[in-house]
Amino acid sequence: AQSVTQLGSHVSVSEGALVLLRCNYSSSVPPYLFWYVQYPNQGLQLLLKYTTGATLVKGINGFEAEFKKSETSFHLTKPSAHMSDAAEYFCAVSGSGANSKLTFGKGITLSVRP
Amino acid sequence: GAVVSQHPSWVICKSGTSVKIECRSLDFQATTMFWYRQFPKQSLMLMATSNEGSKATYEQGVEKDKFLINHASLTLSTLTVTSAHPEDSSFYICSATSGLYNEQFFGPGTRLTVL
Repeated sequence: AQSVTQLGSHVSVSEGALVLLRCNYSSSVPPYLFWYVQYPNQGLQLLLKYTTGATLVKGINGFEAEFKKSETSFHLTKPSAHMSDAAEYFCAVSGSGANSKLTFGKGITLSVRP
Repeated sequence: GAVVSQHPSWVICKSGTSVKIECRSLDFQATTMFWYRQFPKQSLMLMATSNEGSKATYEQGVEKDKFLINHASLTLSTLTVTSAHPEDSSFYICSATSGLYNEQFFGPGTRLTVL
């Protein structure tokens, strides 16, 4: 069984400020972890993923996340927010099999203030 | 690479009619496809998993006779919403993968509105 917790539903930051979106997971097997971004009325775009190896993973658009097994966390960060980062962000967990189901968190809306 | 398309991108239909949504993997062979449903301001909920050439596996609470899924080829899966009602209005998203990948690739979604 697996689950994802994304605390809070909305984060607001100023343009140029640090972005931190929190994600905690539970999994009975070694997890694969993902962050996706969704713009209105669009599908999901993969920002980054952790499967094995290096625990600090870098993704697109300047985002990165660190897998911390001891804390069961996979928080998403970006040093400097841009207006175009305003969107919905989903954290997800799966098992290691290619056909493993993804379990999504409820999502966080990121707003960026000018 | 790894592009997934959906058609149509949006559809409006009358209550009681059936609607078919297509999901295609454009540049790879998808042994497994997933169908999700997303309500406004909510997360994605997995409806079913389909493997090419076999029956789909539905999640608990999803009516298999209402949401018919067919995965007849390695590049195409279809979701048919039968006898649609207004409560079926939602955003439907598919994803696809194969043994070559360790992630799912998502389509752009289909907005269904049932009047």
